[in-house]
Amino acid sequence: GDSVTQMEGPVTLSEEAFLTINCTYTATGYPSLFWYVQYPGEGLQLLLKATKADDKGSNKGFEATYRKETTSFHLEKGSVQVSDSAVYFCALLSGDSSYKLIFGSGTRLLVRP
Amino acid sequence: EAQVTQNPRYLITVTGKKLTVTCSQNMNHEYMSWYRQDPGLGLRQIYYSMNVEVTDKGDVPEGYKVSRKEKRNFPLILESPSPNQTSLYFCASRRRDRLAEQYFGPGTRLTVT
Repeated sequence: GDSVTQMEGPVTLSEEAFLTINCTYTATGYPSLFWYVQYPGEGLQLLLKATKADDKGSNKGFEATYRKETTSFHLEKGSVQVSDSAVYFCALLSGDSSYKLIFGSGTRLLVRP
Repeated sequence: EAQVTQNPRYLITVTGKKLTVTCSQNMNHEYMSWYRQDPGLGLRQIYYSMNVEVTDKGDVPEGYKVSRKEKRNFPLILESPSPNQTSLYFCASRRRDRLAEQYFGPGTRLTVT
C-alpha cells in the first residue's frame, strides 16, 4: 500500500541555519503530496502542497519540490527561526476511494537562538 | 472563525469505562475523519465519513465507533477503552471536493489506565 517515510528526528539547528527534512513516498499513480506542521499543543496545519511532478510548493519561506523520479518531497528552508520549532509531517493523498491522508512518522525540529 | 473543535482536550480514564470524544466543525464540510497519533507512527486514520449517515473504517478501527447524525458533528466512541488506546486523537474535516485542504482540531490526549 501507499506509504511515506521521513527522516528520524529530532533535528536541532541554530537560528538562521539551512533546513532539510527528507521525505520519500511509495504510491501507485501520482498522488498529491503535502507538508503539515504541528506547533506545540496544537493540531496540524497545512504548510504547503504539490499536486503533480515538478511542482514546487512554498509557504512561509519553506519549499518542497515533487520529484517523481526519486519519489521524494524534501522540505527546505534557507534560514530557520526559533518560531519554526515544531513537528513536521510529510503526507500523501491516497488514490483509493477513501481519499485519506497517509502520514509519515513526523520529524521534530528544534531551533536554538 | 472557521474551526474544528474537540472536547475534551485531555482525558484520563480507566479500562472499560465508556467514553465519547466530541468533534464539531463550523465550515459545512461533508468529509470528516478521526486520526490517532502515536510516537514513531505518525497519524493513522481510525474512521471517516463522507457525509451524514455515511461512515467507513480507516486503517485502525478496532475498538472504536463513530456516528454522523448531523453534518457538523462526528463523535468518536470508545465503548470499552483499553490501555493500548492511550494516544493523541485528532479530528479533521474538509469539503468533499477539496481533497487537499483538510482542517484539524487541536487534539485530545487520552490516557487509559
